[in-house]
Amino acid sequence: VQLVESGGGLVQPGKSLKLSCSASGFTFSSYGMHWIRQAPGKGLDWVAYISSSSGTVYADAVKGRFTISRDNAKNTLYLQLNSLKSEDTAIYYCAREGDWGQGVMVTVSS
Amino acid sequence: DIVMTQGALPNPVPSGESASITCQSSKSLLHSNGKTYLNWYLQRPGQSPQLLIYWMSTRASGVSDRFSGSGSGTDFTLKISSVEAEDVGVYYCQQFLEYPRTFGGGTKLELK
Repeated sequence: VQLVESGGGLVQPGKSLKLSCSASGFTFSSYGMHWIRQAPGKGLDWVAYISSSSGTVYADAVKGRFTISRDNAKNTLYLQLNSLKSEDTAIYYCAREGDWGQGVMVTVSS
Repeated sequence: DIVMTQGALPNPVPSGESASITCQSSKSLLHSNGKTYLNWYLQRPGQSPQLLIYWMSTRASGVSDRFSGSGSGTDFTLKISSVEAEDVGVYYCQQFLEYPRTFGGGTKLELK
């Protein structure tokens, strides 16, 4: 199992960013996937989940601002981050239950 | 939301000694199917979290048998027998009974 996140960077408050997670080593379309984040020096914070049939669940802190999606043909998971706030600054990990990627840093600052 | 509360360790832990990390949930994680929906993770410095234990007491593939998980529906313990240098990091418990998935605040293990 390999999960590789990309798309992070420095973005101004109120702007948008789209994260990607490229999956390999398993049948991506058969698994639900998560996004989890970790603010600098802090603990783990679950963000969103998408099922194999594309049903979605979000944490209250991101509901209405973030959108999780998947492209099974490309074996890729996405997280669209809109209306970003400074408190969204974190490392964002994609995960298939027990398997996690290395994470991608998102910094929201003016 | 289910609140997960972790205890602290009396750091640093002498190498070769055992260490126990506690975790408490605000709601029973014991499902009617008999399984307890609790994970334990280790996050080593500079790395992403690694799954150690799932279903409260089942070791993940490749995890040393020095790690063991136990507990009831709301009180859980991760025991590390004979602590080694590679065990250093922050340990997290997580419930996966319901959404939002919630984590404990983490317990840091330092080696003496």
